[in-house]
Amino acid sequence: QVQLQQSGPGLVKPSQTLSLTCVISGDSVSSNSGAWNWIRQSPSRGLEWLGRTYYRSKWYYDYAISVKGRISINPDTSRNQFSLQLNSVTPEDTAVYYCARDKGRVYPFDYWGQGTLVTVSS
Amino acid sequence: DIVMTQTPLFLPVTLGQPASISCRSSQSLVHSDGKTYLSWLQQRPGQPPRLLIYKISSRFSGVPDRFSGSGAGTDFTLKISRVEAEDVGVYYCVQGTQFPQECTFGQGTKLEIK
Repeated sequence: QVQLQQSGPGLVKPSQTLSLTCVISGDSVSSNSGAWNWIRQSPSRGLEWLGRTYYRSKWYYDYAISVKGRISINPDTSRNQFSLQLNSVTPEDTAVYYCARDKGRVYPFDYWGQGTLVTVSS
Repeated sequence: DIVMTQTPLFLPVTLGQPASISCRSSQSLVHSDGKTYLSWLQQRPGQPPRLLIYKISSRFSGVPDRFSGSGAGTDFTLKISRVEAEDVGVYYCVQGTQFPQECTFGQGTKLEIK
C-alpha cells in the first residue's frame, strides 16, 4: 500500500519561499512507472496541479504554466521523498497543498498525501 | 485551455436513492491513442481527494460497485446507484488526456444527504 506523508511549515511570509516535503512508503521516488506531483486547493482556485517529477533513466520535471519560474520539485532518493519549493509567495498562494502519485494518464493521482494548509501572511 | 464544467454544483440526495453528476469538457478528451482519459475523484470532508474512476468507467481498487462512470468525447457522467451516508463529499472530474501539458479539474459537485 502506497502512503505519502507530508511535512512543512503552515505559515510563510510574503515574498519568502514555501517548502514542503513528501515522504513515500510502499513505492520508490525512482520508480519507472510512477510520477510525483504537487497539487494545491483553495476556495478561489479549486484544485490546481502545480507540477511533478519522475524518473525514466533520467529525471524529468513538468510544471504548470501558472507557477513556472517560481516552482521547483526535487527528488531525494536517499530518503525516498520529494519536495516542493515555491518562491516569492503572495497571499494568493495560500492553499492546502497535497502531494500525489500518478501513473500516467491512465491512473492520475491514485494516492495522495494528507494535505498541508499553508497560509501566506506577515 | 480545456475547461471542465460540472453540473449540478450542489446535489442533495435521499439515502438509498440514486445520484448523477455531469461533467462536460470544452473540447474532446479523445487522445491520439484513441483512448479517453477522464477520471473522477471523491473528497470526503476533511480528507484528501481519492481516485474513484479512471478512463471514463473503470473503478479504482476498493471502490464500491455502486459507483459507475460513463460517457464519451466531451460528456461524462458519474452515477451512484444507491447513495450511502459515507458518500457525502465533493466529487471532481479531471482530464488526463492533455496531462501534463494541461491538467484540468472540474469545479466540484457537493453531495449531501437530504
